[in-house]
Amino acid sequence: QSALTQPASVSGSPGQSITISCTGTSSDVGSYNLVSWYQQYPGKAPKLIIYEVNKRPSGVSNRFSGSKSGNTASLTISGLQAEDEADYYCCSYAGSSIYVFGTGTKVTVL
Amino acid sequence: QVQVVQSGAEVKKPGASLKVSCKASGYTFTSYYMHWVRQAPGQGLEWIGIINPSGGSTTYAQKFQGRVTMTRDTSTSTVYMELSSLRSEDTAVYYCARALEGGFDIWGQGTMVTVSS
Repeated sequence: QSALTQPASVSGSPGQSITISCTGTSSDVGSYNLVSWYQQYPGKAPKLIIYEVNKRPSGVSNRFSGSKSGNTASLTISGLQAEDEADYYCCSYAGSSIYVFGTGTKVTVL
Repeated sequence: QVQVVQSGAEVKKPGASLKVSCKASGYTFTSYYMHWVRQAPGQGLEWIGIINPSGGSTTYAQKFQGRVTMTRDTSTSTVYMELSSLRSEDTAVYYCARALEGGFDIWGQGTMVTVSS
């Protein structure tokens, strides 16, 4: 199972919106609405911010939103804030109880 | 509160085996699957496998099959991950994470494992 492909880095100015893509295949992202996204600060455990493509856990800012089209899922952060500077990972179910993570994206707030 | 707490850091020699524990509290242990994920220094997240604490069934990533064993003890609400034949490339932070709706909603604090001669 190959890792899902994410851009290595994405940057934006405060207040702007940015989108992180997560490209898989018809065997994972394209087949299941079980894509999740995680935010990770250096030295910390990841935090779930989106599950089932576009659902937010309680307490997660509504500035985070998710979507999917074909084999590509996307995470959009609107109204970018300094605190959003972190690493972001997507993850998809790939069938037969197998999961695969994305390569990760470093978000920089300019 | 709902949490999972992992065992402490480990230093192992190449060829040795490792066993990391993950103790759950604040929820019904047998109602949620548990994942194991690792992250090598400066690298991304890598899924290792999943265990059903209720029946003990497991599924492992192909990369780890034959080297990893996940078990659970329902009496102590603890899951374990054992990795054998350790090599330097296994140096990483290992996480357990509770499964929910296709995501991983509660993460342990991580266990740093260093493999070095």
